[in-house]
Amino acid sequence: GDSVTQMEGPVTLSEEAFLTINCTYTATGYPSLFWYVQYPGEGLQLLLKATKADDKGSNKGFEATYRKETTSFHLEKGSVQVSDSAVYFCALSSNSGGSNYKLTFGKGTLLTVNP
Amino acid sequence: GAVVSQHPSRVICKSGTSVKIECRSLDFQATTMFWYRQFPKKSLMLMATSNEGSKATYEQGVEKDKFLINHASLTLSTLTVTSAHPEDSSFYICSARGQSNQPQHFGDGTRLSIL
Repeated sequence: GDSVTQMEGPVTLSEEAFLTINCTYTATGYPSLFWYVQYPGEGLQLLLKATKADDKGSNKGFEATYRKETTSFHLEKGSVQVSDSAVYFCALSSNSGGSNYKLTFGKGTLLTVNP
Repeated sequence: GAVVSQHPSRVICKSGTSVKIECRSLDFQATTMFWYRQFPKKSLMLMATSNEGSKATYEQGVEKDKFLINHASLTLSTLTVTSAHPEDSSFYICSARGQSNQPQHFGDGTRLSIL
């Protein structure tokens, strides 16, 4: 079945540092890929997405590129802020096995940015 | 756009009580809604998928008589936790989606505490 493996946290950075959170996936067919962010006590917000190979999703300074050859969708940001502290989830969506495009999530990575 | 409202945000009640959680899509028609459960510092666990006007499809291990789901309209789904017990205490999150290949949009979650 489909699966998502993302870098285990927690990740602690200083403000303005460079961020990478690795994410790789296993899926049949051509999944869509997502990054969601969850702030403390809240639900998930869609951060960015990519629907086909070589697509780059970007939002709020975050970027991720759909790499089919390496089955990866790593999240990057050039300069993090304290307000970026949250849990980040990598996810994929496909219709493999008639799954009706359900989301398959990674385990989440807690990011803490210190001033 | 794509706002999902979940209510209530927090519930504290006695063991044996039934609790209803509402999930509304405010600015789009949600063909499909999903209900998740999240344990502390864990990823989301899909409980069930509901399509408007149809019976919900429950994931393996989720008691359908315990967690009643109704999706009577294209903008509203409800989850009722029947005869709740302390082990049902958790963070419940809903999401809604328009067409099959569109992203899911999440509510802010409901923190359920059973005393």
